[in-house]
Amino acid sequence: SAVISQKPSRDICQRGTSLTIQCQVDSQVTMMFWYRQQPGQSLTLIATANQGSEATYESGFVIDKFPISRPNLTFSTLTVSNMSPEDSSIYLCSALVTGELFFGEGSRLTVL
Amino acid sequence: ELKVEQNPLFLSMQEGKNYTIYCNYSTTSDRLYWYRQDPGKSLESLFVLLSNGAVKQEGRLMASLDTKARLSTLHITAAVHDLSATYFCAVGVIYNNNDMRFGAGTRLTVKP
Repeated sequence: SAVISQKPSRDICQRGTSLTIQCQVDSQVTMMFWYRQQPGQSLTLIATANQGSEATYESGFVIDKFPISRPNLTFSTLTVSNMSPEDSSIYLCSALVTGELFFGEGSRLTVL
Repeated sequence: ELKVEQNPLFLSMQEGKNYTIYCNYSTTSDRLYWYRQDPGKSLESLFVLLSNGAVKQEGRLMASLDTKARLSTLHITAAVHDLSATYFCAVGVIYNNNDMRFGAGTRLTVKP
């Protein structure tokens, strides 16, 4: 089992600003994933963040908009840059621990 | 590219009835997961299936995996209202592609 702490849990942001979401895992993990979930929708993979390498982004997501850091085996951040109302969503981090994929509680962002 | 198809998208059941949710995927995978999500909550892991023929059961839920057919099923037996939630399957191709994708989800409502 693993516990993933994600913060902030929610925030209201102004258009054009940036917000960094933090994700802390209670054990050392190599592989972490960042997802976005629109209300009533499934999860869309933003990027894979493996410690020791650059994040791998999915089609439609770019590093300038969603920079990711992975400084060690227990921590990662996702920044949503230059936000617009279209970025309003829930952002979820996850970690692969002994073959099982665990999720944080999510960060609900509202961009005005 | 790995694609995951889940059906049905919506399922309304009477208590006491049985039903099956299907999850098809497009390429060879390392693993398959089933999750439950309650409104406003993160994802709760239900099952991890790693090999062909794997079958796991927990309470009224049973999941199976047929890797040759690239198909997993989540069978609900004698549904109760507490099972009302959205159920997602997720398919991983970890060792080559670091890929983990979700189905669209099945919104299950169990009526008394």
